[in-house]
Amino acid sequence: GESVGLHLPTLSVQEGDNSIINCAYSNSASDYFIWYKQESGKGPQFIIDIRSNMDKRQGQRVTVLLNKTVKHLSLQIAATQPGDSAVYFCAENPSGTASKLTFGTGTRLQVTL
Amino acid sequence: DAGVTQSPTHLIKTRGQHVTLRCSPISGHKSVSWYQQVLGQGPQFIFQYYEKEERGRGNFPDRFSARQFPNYSSELNVNALLLGDSALYLCASSLEQGRNLAFFGQGTRLTVV
Repeated sequence: GESVGLHLPTLSVQEGDNSIINCAYSNSASDYFIWYKQESGKGPQFIIDIRSNMDKRQGQRVTVLLNKTVKHLSLQIAATQPGDSAVYFCAENPSGTASKLTFGTGTRLQVTL
Repeated sequence: DAGVTQSPTHLIKTRGQHVTLRCSPISGHKSVSWYQQVLGQGPQFIFQYYEKEERGRGNFPDRFSARQFPNYSSELNVNALLLGDSALYLCASSLEQGRNLAFFGQGTRLTVV
């Protein structure tokens, strides 16, 4: 079936550097994407979202880029901090509602001092 | 404002038993979705309820059922528990069924022994 996947299962980044987490999606009908951060023992926490009519969206220290041509999504975290250490998921909505999301397996971000 | 609240936080059940998990959405949110997250994987969609009606169902057996109450809280029921049902069960609420962001609770960690 169609799914959202991630290129790198684990990413190690030095504190202060920028992080880039990538995600490939396969459902060309998806028109809404969300990045979530999940810390150990907690539920997924919203980071940033983007609709398919946009290529880029910026938040506080985070930027999401969407390339519909190659069905690729990325999350950029500027000046990565130890508190950014977590598993990051991208999710898509293949059905047109944000309430039914398809998640990938996640990328673990490890921030080293 | 309280976020999405789930109870209990942890639960241990024996194979063959039944379990009921509870979720209270964010105040004003009318849509509740349930997800199962097996260790090391991304959340998998189980159900969506909106205005007390089932609006979507994932690829889960009939042992899984849910309902939504007039106050928009929700219950997830699982009958005849299997060892493979051990997972983190997440509830997410969104304002309405449309293209709105889903906010997750902390989850209920279910262990079947």
